Amino acid sequence: EIVMTQSPATLSVSPGERATLFCRASQSVSSGLAWYQQKPGQAPRLLIYGASTRATGIPARFSGSGSGTEFTLTISSLQSEDFAVYYCQQYNQWPPGTFGGGTKVEIK
Amino acid sequence: EVQLVESGGGLAQPGGSLRLSCAASGLTFTKHAMSWVRQAPGKGLEWVSAISDHGGSTYYADSVRGRFTISRDDSKNTLYLQMNSLRVEDTAVYYCARDSPICTFWGQGTLVTVSS
Repeated sequence: EIVMTQSPATLSVSPGERATLFCRASQSVSSGLAWYQQKPGQAPRLLIYGASTRATGIPARFSGSGSGTEFTLTISSLQSEDFAVYYCQQYNQWPPGTFGGGTKVEIK
Repeated sequence: EVQLVESGGGLAQPGGSLRLSCAASGLTFTKHAMSWVRQAPGKGLEWVSAISDHGGSTYYADSVRGRFTISRDDSKNTLYLQMNSLRVEDTAVYYCARDSPICTFWGQGTLVTVSS
């Protein structure tokens, strides 16, 4: 089973600043990588799939990059509604679709 | 507007059973594979199970295989998860999600608590 590791666990960022989140796979997942956002008390929401394709309705300030084992989610200018927990998920070797442990983006 | 509404959660004893339901609307249900994903209190996401469109193929996490059964009733636009031999570690919010392996839309979840 592929293990997904996210870093950092917590990221403190000021509104308007750039946030960069990392996700590493224990073996190559090619571009089979998705990112999800989860706000407190809410269900997750798909942001990115195929490592870099934004899901429907996702603002352009969210971008994904990477392939193989190293992936990045960048939020170019943090808005108040972006403070949340972000999860990556690999689906190249599925099942199972393993998730990372999450990165919490909090207000600095 | 797409809606996925889970129900059937609650308190169960270890070794007991529960059946979760997920009522779908605003989508052509038969065109979509469906997934269950769970989240233990204060923890991250764990993929649990998935079923293909029309139900011909099912998939399970090792942690639930042999105890949980996923199914769907396309005439009712409803997804199910039959959970038997429940364990304390099955305590979680259970989300149903449209599509698999990428979960493109999620319901709000239903809480399952396994405790004596």
